[in-house]
Amino acid sequence: AQKVTQAQTEISVVEKEDVTLDCVYETRDTTYYLFWYKQPPSGELVFLIRRNSFDEQNEISGRYSWNFQKSTSSFNFTITASQVVDSAVYFCALRILTGANSKLTFGKGITLSVRP
Amino acid sequence: DAGVIQSPRHEVTEMGQEVTLRCKPISGHDYLFWYRQTMMRGLELLIYFNNNVPIDDSGMPEDRFSAKMPNASFSTLKIQPSEPRDSAVYFCASSTQGFALAEAFFGQGTRLTVV
Repeated sequence: AQKVTQAQTEISVVEKEDVTLDCVYETRDTTYYLFWYKQPPSGELVFLIRRNSFDEQNEISGRYSWNFQKSTSSFNFTITASQVVDSAVYFCALRILTGANSKLTFGKGITLSVRP
Repeated sequence: DAGVIQSPRHEVTEMGQEVTLRCKPISGHDYLFWYRQTMMRGLELLIYFNNNVPIDDSGMPEDRFSAKMPNASFSTLKIQPSEPRDSAVYFCASSTQGFALAEAFFGQGTRLTVV
C-alpha cells in the first residue's frame, strides 16, 4: 500500500516570510516518484517538481526548494520570501512504478495563505 | 498540444439522473487517471487505465460509478443514478511511465453539482 501524509492542513504567513510544507510518504516499492503540485484559486492543478527514488539531490528553483530524505521518507517543500501569488493548495504525490501498476496517490493538500 | 481536455466544465443535474464526464488525454500518453476532489476527502483516485485497460478501480465508490476507455484518445466516467453526495470536482489526468516523464498532466476538471 502507498500513502502520502501532509500533516499541516492550513498555513498562514505574512508576505516575505519563508514557509516549509511537509510531506511524508509510505511505500514498500523501491522505485517510485514524488511530486508537488500547486492548485491556485482558479482550480487547475499545476505540476511543480518530480523526484525519483534514486535521486536524493535537493533542488532549488528560484524561490522554491525541495528537500528529499529517504531516511525519513520525507519530501518537504520550502518557499523563500513568500508572495501573495503563492497562495494556493499544495499537494504532494507519490507514484510507484511496478510493471503496469503505476498508481499515483495524493496527500490531502496544504492550504497556504500569504497575507500582504 | 492542447493538454488534457475534459467536458463539460460544469454540470448541474437532478438526483437520479445519469451523468457522463468525458476526457481526452494527451496524445501518446498511455496512462489515464480519474480523480474526485472534495473538501472532506481531498483528491481521491477513482480508477486508472494503462493502454486502455483498467488497472485499479478500487477507488470507485460504488456500483453507480463506471469508467471506460474505448480507445487511446477517449475516456468516460459515468454515474448512474447520481446522488447529491456525488457533487465534487472530477479531474482527469494522463501520463506516461517514462522514467524521465512520470508526472501526470491534469485537465481543467468538471464541477458536478447534483441537486
